[in-house]
Amino acid sequence: EIVLTQSPGTLSLSPGDRATLFCRASQSVTTYVAWYQQKPGQAPRLLIEGASTRAIGIPGRFSGSGSGTDFTLTINRLEPEDFAVYYCQQYANTSPYTFGQGTKLEIK
Amino acid sequence: QVQLVESGGGVVQPGRSLRLSCAASGFPFSGYAMHWVRQVPGKGPEWVGFIWFDGSNQDYADSVKGRFTISRDNSKNTLYLQMNSLRDEDTAVYHCARGVENVVGDIFDYWGLGTLVTVSS
Repeated sequence: EIVLTQSPGTLSLSPGDRATLFCRASQSVTTYVAWYQQKPGQAPRLLIEGASTRAIGIPGRFSGSGSGTDFTLTINRLEPEDFAVYYCQQYANTSPYTFGQGTKLEIK
Repeated sequence: QVQLVESGGGVVQPGRSLRLSCAASGFPFSGYAMHWVRQVPGKGPEWVGFIWFDGSNQDYADSVKGRFTISRDNSKNTLYLQMNSLRDEDTAVYHCARGVENVVGDIFDYWGLGTLVTVSS
């Protein structure tokens, strides 16, 4: 099983700041990583697929990068609605699919 | 628009069974693989299993293999999760999610809000 470790656990920033979230895989997943955003009481929302491709309707301030074992989600110019929990997911090994434990992005 | 609505959750004693449903609308249900993903509040999601678009193949996480069964009725646009021999550690919110193939595996482009399953005596 591929283990995904996200850091930091919590990130405290202000609107307008840049957020940088990390996801490390226990073995190479090439670029088969997706990122999701989840707000309280809501379903997860797909943000990024293929490590760097924004999903349909996702604003340009969201960007993803990385390959192999290290991945980054960057959110430029944070908007109030961006404060949420973010999860990475790998689909290089589909038995099982695995997720990180999440990074909570909170307002400072 | 795509909608996935889960139902069937509740409180159940250890060792008992429960069947969850996921009603899909807004897309050609029979053309997509579907997944179940569960989430303990405050923790990361855990993939439970999936079923091919035509129901001909399934796969499961080791933690539920042999106890859970995923099925679908494409005529009713509905996905199911039969959960037997439930354990305390199965307590979670259960989401259904649409799978979209991305080269080697699926990404989950739409999720339902989920239904809460609590296993407790």
